[in-house]
Amino acid sequence: KQEVTQIPAALSVPEGENLVLNCSFTDSAIYNLQWFRQDPGKGLTSLLLIQSSQREQTSGRLNASLDKSSGRSTLYIAASQPGDSATYLCAVRKETSGSRLTFGEGTQLTVNP
Amino acid sequence: DAMVIQNPRYQVTQFGKPVTLSCSQTLNHNVMYWYQQKSSQAPKLLFHYYDKDFNNEADTPDNFQSRRPNTSFCFLDIRSPGLGDAAMYLCATSRVGRGRTNEKLFFGSGTQLSVL
Repeated sequence: KQEVTQIPAALSVPEGENLVLNCSFTDSAIYNLQWFRQDPGKGLTSLLLIQSSQREQTSGRLNASLDKSSGRSTLYIAASQPGDSATYLCAVRKETSGSRLTFGEGTQLTVNP
Repeated sequence: DAMVIQNPRYQVTQFGKPVTLSCSQTLNHNVMYWYQQKSSQAPKLLFHYYDKDFNNEADTPDNFQSRRPNTSFCFLDIRSPGLGDAAMYLCATSRVGRGRTNEKLFFGSGTQLSVL
């Protein structure tokens, strides 16, 4: 059974700092990995999707990397801003699970002005 | 413009009183999902529709049912809500086809269900 773990569970940083969020998964037979953002009491917004054949994806100040063989992904946020405060979740899609995603519990990020 | 719309935003029901949550989409996606998310936990897939085909997760209680009358709409029915069913319910959509299971999921804003 696929398990997804995100460390740390919570992170507080001053504005302007570069930061890294971590995601690990137990079964490396994945099709892709997605990073989502969730604001309090809201739904999830897809940030980046990395195919299993890719190493990284970039969008603006966000960069996600994938090391499939070691079961790890990182989300790098450059020059953090208070508006980046949210919970960040990663989710993996297994090769044989069809449309099913397995989510981590997320990292709650607070960027202090 | 919202592409996946969930109504209502907040729903309060009584213990044992049936409740229906709704989801609609303007993306014309063929797959629709219902997730349950409890506070500070990962979203948990309840079931999904691939076109008209219903796919139930093995550990989804019988208390939870779903209907998809057409491509745009999907409903979550909770037949007899218990206190443990209080959670955020998230609807999501994606376009999935042969060899194209790489599509992103688009989520609605969720319905926060309280059970009194």
